[in-house]
Amino acid sequence: GQQLNQSPQSMFIQEGEDVSMNCTSSSIFNTWLWYKQDPGEGPVLLIALYKAGELTSNGRLTAQFGITRKDSFLNISASIPSDVGIYFCAGRDNTDKLIFGTGTRLQVFP
Amino acid sequence: DSGVTQTPKHLITATGQRVTLRCSPRSGDLSVYWYQQSLDQGLQFLIQYYNGEERAKGNILERFSAQQFPDLHSELNLSSLELGDSALYFCASSLHRDRGNTEAFFGQGTRLTVV
Repeated sequence: GQQLNQSPQSMFIQEGEDVSMNCTSSSIFNTWLWYKQDPGEGPVLLIALYKAGELTSNGRLTAQFGITRKDSFLNISASIPSDVGIYFCAGRDNTDKLIFGTGTRLQVFP
Repeated sequence: DSGVTQTPKHLITATGQRVTLRCSPRSGDLSVYWYQQSLDQGLQFLIQYYNGEERAKGNILERFSAQQFPDLHSELNLSSLELGDSALYFCASSLHRDRGNTEAFFGQGTRLTVV
């Protein structure tokens, strides 16, 4: 199926560390969205990006829309135990289709 | 609460059967997306509807179909079910892109188990 390349696949970090993950595509997107999913729950929207080069923050989260419109990254600063979960990027193309990345599983140890 | 409602939350059925999953989008949202998520996998795009019409199709099996009704709720029909169809099925809704920001919000999902 259609999915974006997201890396890393998983991360095991200590509480307080910063985290960085990214998403790349061979196609251009008009919108990049970042979601967090807890087990058995629906994805929850964290950050939305609408313009190439845009840098947006939401608390300890910062995301950027790549200049080429083919990539995006998400940073989490000073991680805490409740940051545990799976993070997905999603790109919307000009047909309005919303395609998801393969996910980054984050584990935070105290 | 995202405002997107999916029913039922859980469904257990036998192989060969047919089920219908229902989604009510957020108030004012015209687009509905359906995704399948198998165990520990990503979200596979199935199909999108906008204001009652099919807008985009992903890797949706021929045994699966969907529709969006005039009141904008949507149904995903899965027939001739196989064990491999067991998964979480998510619905998401958003405004159309021409109406400004187009964040997509997800429901809590329907967990389908085929036995």
